[in-house]
Amino acid sequence: GAVVSQHPSWVICKSGTSVKIECRSLDFQATTMFWYRQFPKQSLMLMATSNEGSKATYEQGVEKDKFLINHASLTLSTLTVTSAHPEDSSFYICSAKNPRALAEAFFGQGTRLTVV
Amino acid sequence: GESVGLHLPTLSVQEGDNSIINCAYSNSASDYFIWYKQESGKGPQFIIDIRSNMDKRQGQRVTVLLNKTVKHLSLQIAATQPGDSAVYFCAENMNSGYSTLTFGKGTMLLVSP
Repeated sequence: GAVVSQHPSWVICKSGTSVKIECRSLDFQATTMFWYRQFPKQSLMLMATSNEGSKATYEQGVEKDKFLINHASLTLSTLTVTSAHPEDSSFYICSAKNPRALAEAFFGQGTRLTVV
Repeated sequence: GESVGLHLPTLSVQEGDNSIINCAYSNSASDYFIWYKQESGKGPQFIIDIRSNMDKRQGQRVTVLLNKTVKHLSLQIAATQPGDSAVYFCAENMNSGYSTLTFGKGTMLLVSP
């Protein structure tokens, strides 16, 4: 099946710094990628839809200046958490859809962000 | 829009039992449904999917049932194994999958030997 790789798998950063998370589709070109946030024992909450070559579409309540998304190529989307604070600590997951596989979305391994 | 809930319910079973995980969806326009398995600290993994023109689909040890009348989806796991322990999410989609996924609240399955 298709593979989506997310990096890093975990990161610890100091409050006020920025952190970049990468999401790569390894064996298909993804014009659309998705970023989710997940708190412990809760479901995945869609943060934004990343569109290759254009601006991301953010869900209501998600600060676009806080969570910068860049989708500069068909295989890479990045999420940058700017000026991170402890409340940004969470599990961030990306997914990508293979245009040839229609609906199925493939997920990355997730990134555990801890802001201290 | 549909809301996703908090507070993860838990299903505890013995190894070898059959497990049934349920999911209610609220959007009657949804036409494609997927079950995902998420192990601790990992991303969701595709298990099985079903389109709205079907009411049952079987995979290896798993069966998904769809009842559109009551907007209910279930995942049946036969002969549950300890390796099946994880959180299971249903997800719904519209436009035959071209819209974004909406995840249900999830169920934690605990399988004891």
